[in-house]
Amino acid sequence: DGGITQSPKYLFRKEGQNVTLSCEQNLNHDAMYWYRQDPGQGLRLIYYSQIVNDFQKGDIAEGYSVSREKKESFPLTVTSAQKNPTAFYLCASSISRQSEQFFGPGTRLTVL
Amino acid sequence: AQSVTQPDIHITVSEGASLELRCNYSYGATPYLFWYVQSPGQGLQLLLKYFSGDTLVQGIKGFEAEFKRSQSSFNLRKPSVHWSDAAEYFCAVGGNTPLVFGKGTRLSVIA
Repeated sequence: DGGITQSPKYLFRKEGQNVTLSCEQNLNHDAMYWYRQDPGQGLRLIYYSQIVNDFQKGDIAEGYSVSREKKESFPLTVTSAQKNPTAFYLCASSISRQSEQFFGPGTRLTVL
Repeated sequence: AQSVTQPDIHITVSEGASLELRCNYSYGATPYLFWYVQSPGQGLQLLLKYFSGDTLVQGIKGFEAEFKRSQSSFNLRKPSVHWSDAAEYFCAVGGNTPLVFGKGTRLSVIA
């Protein structure tokens, strides 16, 4: 059954700690994306990757980092430099940059 | 740069009534247009997409959307709303860059 998995569903961290959110896809998609969602703000692009070992900053990349060592995986690290990390994080993938994106179920991060 | 405007933050309709959610976009070339739906605490699900061709697009769950180039719009419609349609709806535009999403319209359905 093909799809995108994100883990964990809920994540709690203390302020000042780095945290890594997992995103895995078995759709054989080349492109992967990370979005942040806050109430009333829609989806804001953090990072995206069109191919393994390559990624580009989105609109709100400050305080975040990513890696793309495998086609299937695109983990996001929320660093202590991110001023307001509490949010709902969505991972997506697509065949190409122009095609429709498929989304994972999301991870809700709460920084205490 | 492309942008998407969803003018209605929140809409309430009665079950069985018709629905139209508005979406206006800004893009220099022929856009790729999408509508997604999101239930609370969940990911987004694609309802329909427009790449080219027929400007009236049919999607899942009985939704349709019409691309109007002259109005830079891609409004979502459904002839009869069900209580299960209550959710948040996002319009998105793409092309040579990753999709840009609107801020969403929250749909409430009352009996």
